[in-house]
Parts: sequence; structure tokens; C-alpha cells
Amino acid sequence: KNQVEQSPQSLIILEGKNCTLQCNYTVSPFSNLRWYKQDTGRGPVSLTIMTFSENTKSNGRYTATLDADTKQSSLHITASQLSDSASYICVVTWNTGNQFYFGTGTSLTVIP
Amino acid sequence: DGGITQSPKYLFRKEGQNVTLSCEQNLNHDAMYWYRQDPGQGLRLIYYSQIVNDFQKGDIAEGYSVSREKKESFPLTVTSAQKNPTAFYLCASADGSSYNSPLHFGNGTRLTVT
Repeated sequence: KNQVEQSPQSLIILEGKNCTLQCNYTVSPFSNLRWYKQDTGRGPVSLTIMTFSENTKSNGRYTATLDADTKQSSLHITASQLSDSASYICVVTWNTGNQFYFGTGTSLTVIP
Repeated sequence: DGGITQSPKYLFRKEGQNVTLSCEQNLNHDAMYWYRQDPGQGLRLIYYSQIVNDFQKGDIAEGYSVSREKKESFPLTVTSAQKNPTAFYLCASADGSSYNSPLHFGNGTRLTVT
């Protein structure tokens, strides 16, 4: 069964600290993996997209890693800011590219 | 600015009434999607369309209907047959020419049925 699991479910960190969010998937065959940021009451916004051959991709203070062998991805946030408070969603694209499997997200709260 | 517009942001309806959620995009994307988001669950696909005048059911299509008469528009109707319609609905689009193009989401419509 194709699944995407994220951990932790929620996380609270102090402003300025780093954190790492995890995503494990069983989707096969795999096309790409995406990380999205969703602010409360808004639509998700794309942070990174990685294909099978990419191990790391950065977008400012966000760095995503992918291990296609173990089917694991992580999103590392450096020097967190209050505006990083949001839900972070891992999305895996299946095979032909028009079917997406969504994780349930990690809710991140950054406190001053 | 290019993007996806969903309207209204909040919608309240009485049980038994049909309601239509609007989704318009000016990104010239071929593919459009409707998702439902409930607390503690990942987004679930309701319907998707890869081209005008064609659409396919997703995982939870029962009680919903769509149309795709124009490339820019993909309205979703929540019918009275949908047993639990209260949810946050997200519309998305993608450039179908590339598997690695991102999904672009609207800012959602929160539907409350009482």
C-alpha cells in the first residue's frame, strides 16, 4: 500500500534554533518527492522538489534530503523564525507523475 | 500576479443544499485538482482533470461533482449526497508537461454545513 508518514506530528522550538522533520514513504514506483509549507487557513506552498537522483536541495534556510534506497526524506530548517510556524507536508509523486500521496504533516511552532 | 483563486473563503450551508465552490487559475495549466483536508489527515483527492471537458474521480468522489468547460475554471459542487461535507477544500493546478512541476494551490474554501 502506498503511504507517506511524517514525524513528529508536532514540534515546538525556540526562535533561532534548528530543527529536522522526517518523511518516510512506501510509494512505488517513485517519481519525485516534494515538501510544502502550509500556513493556517492557507493553501500549501512548494518549498522543494527532488527527483530520484537528487540527494539534497536547498531553498534559503530550508534544506531537503532524500535517500531513495531507504525511502526517507528530511527537511532541515536552519535558524528558525517566527514565520516558520506552519504545517510542513511531504508529498510523493507516483510513477507517471499525476498521482500524489500526501503525508499528514508536521505542525511546527516557533516561539520567541 | 499568476495564481489560483478560490472563492468564497468561507461558506455556510444548511444540510440538504447543494453548494458550488469556485476555482479559477491564470497559470495556463492543463491539470487541475480538488482536494479535501480534514484535521489529522493528509489531503485526499476528490476529482482531477488533465484537459478541458475531461475529468476523473479521485479517492473520495462520492457526493461531489465537477465540470471543466474552460481551461481556467474547475468548479466543485458538493451535493446533498455527501454525508460529511464540512471540511477545508483546496484546489490545485499543475503544468502537465513536466512530472516535476510543482502543484500550485489556492488558499482554500472552508465549508461548514449545519
